[in-house]
Amino acid sequence: DTAVSQTPKYLVTQMGNDKSIKCEQNLGHDTMYWYKQDSKKFLKIMFSYNNKELIINETVPNRFSPKSPDKAHLNLHINSLELGDSAVYFCASSQVTVGTDTQYFGPGTRLTVL
Amino acid sequence: AQSVAQPEDQVNVAEGNPLTVKCTYSVSGNPYLFWYVQYPNRGLQFLLKYITGDNLVKGSYGFEAEFNKSQTSFHQKKPSALVSDSALYFCAVRERNFNKFYFGSGTKLNVKP
Repeated sequence: DTAVSQTPKYLVTQMGNDKSIKCEQNLGHDTMYWYKQDSKKFLKIMFSYNNKELIINETVPNRFSPKSPDKAHLNLHINSLELGDSAVYFCASSQVTVGTDTQYFGPGTRLTVL
Repeated sequence: AQSVAQPEDQVNVAEGNPLTVKCTYSVSGNPYLFWYVQYPNRGLQFLLKYITGDNLVKGSYGFEAEFNKSQTSFHQKKPSALVSDSALYFCAVRERNFNKFYFGSGTKLNVKP
């Protein structure tokens, strides 16, 4: 009964390919996020969805496209992968209620672009 | 611009000694403040948060943090470190009226036996 799960855990692919990462949460939260953690462990938010609506869209290349089919899922599709996309991608979820919006993170997806 | 600073990339402490991991922030208003821990090859785990009230917040695994509004700091402390506390610690801040989190760059805590 994992709270926030991501698939796959590891993803190795060639430059120029298109790939997707999936995220699911079973906590009943209304908000989900995608973060990118680079090789120096710096964590940066990419996107946030609240009730399937995009509310945060940071300066991320158009090659990255999130999709939220329902409140429990937030997938990340990446087109034309580049070497610089290599990183660990974390999904997170929270319930955006005043004082109770602790984020819960998935285990991460390590993407390696060759 | 909103930001969170963790001035130390690494903190080394001997087991049994007290530890402090520092965090300062620059966020408008009265933000919510968080500490997370990341073990190798794992996602971030919530440790504690400050929302309002008492400036000293107690969290998981014996960690606590003190909110200091005048110094805009939220340093994390533990009276007696354990080897198992060795991990990467992130401070995070969220504006009260906008659901966006800002994370610090992380501090690697090394506790030696």
